[in-house]
Amino acid sequence: AQSVTQLDSQVPVFEEAPVELRCNYSSSVSVYLFWYVQYPNQGLQLLLKYLSGSTLVKGINGFEAEFNKSQTSFHLRKPSVHISDTAEYFCAVRADPQGAQKLVFGQGTRLTINP
Amino acid sequence: NAGVMQNPRHLVRRRGQEARLRCSPMKGHSHVYWYRQLPEEGLKFMVYLQKENIIDESGMPKERFSAEFPKEGPSILRIQQVVRGDSAAYFCASSLSVTDTQYFGPGTRLTVL
Repeated sequence: AQSVTQLDSQVPVFEEAPVELRCNYSSSVSVYLFWYVQYPNQGLQLLLKYLSGSTLVKGINGFEAEFNKSQTSFHLRKPSVHISDTAEYFCAVRADPQGAQKLVFGQGTRLTINP
Repeated sequence: NAGVMQNPRHLVRRRGQEARLRCSPMKGHSHVYWYRQLPEEGLKFMVYLQKENIIDESGMPKERFSAEFPKEGPSILRIQQVVRGDSAAYFCASSLSVTDTQYFGPGTRLTVL
């Protein structure tokens, strides 16, 4: 079974400051990793994903994440945030193709951008 | 290319009534997943279906909940005799294949009075 821990439930930052949202996972098999963003009263939108290959993954809206297998982490970063980045961010894992297809989500991190 | 569609977006039911939530996957997608998001929590997997088949229902409550994905038409998540604890946002996702990315719909927010 897989589990995901998002270490911060809320992260307030000032506009144009850098931000890092932390995600750690636990799994006995290899996994795929995802970050989704949820704007208020909307569904989830895929930001980026790691399947294999380069451990640094670039996504939409200037976000990137780095897969660290030894630390079982997949932290999300953005060098300079904008007011429009205010949203809830979810880290998720899925077992490899031979495993279950369900996504296992973390509790979410609410990112608030202050002017 | 329309995304995943869910209706209704908001649904209010009284305790004991039935709730039917519909999900139309993206065009060409034959894999559908349902997730539930309780207030202030992350999403929890409920069920995974392919056309006419339930593949994984390990996250479905044992009673009152059922899901289907018929050959024609949308996937339906049915909750019988709703209780206040069923109040949540229910999200549907679809994918092109079993290894493809899951794309989410806008969700149905169920409120049980």
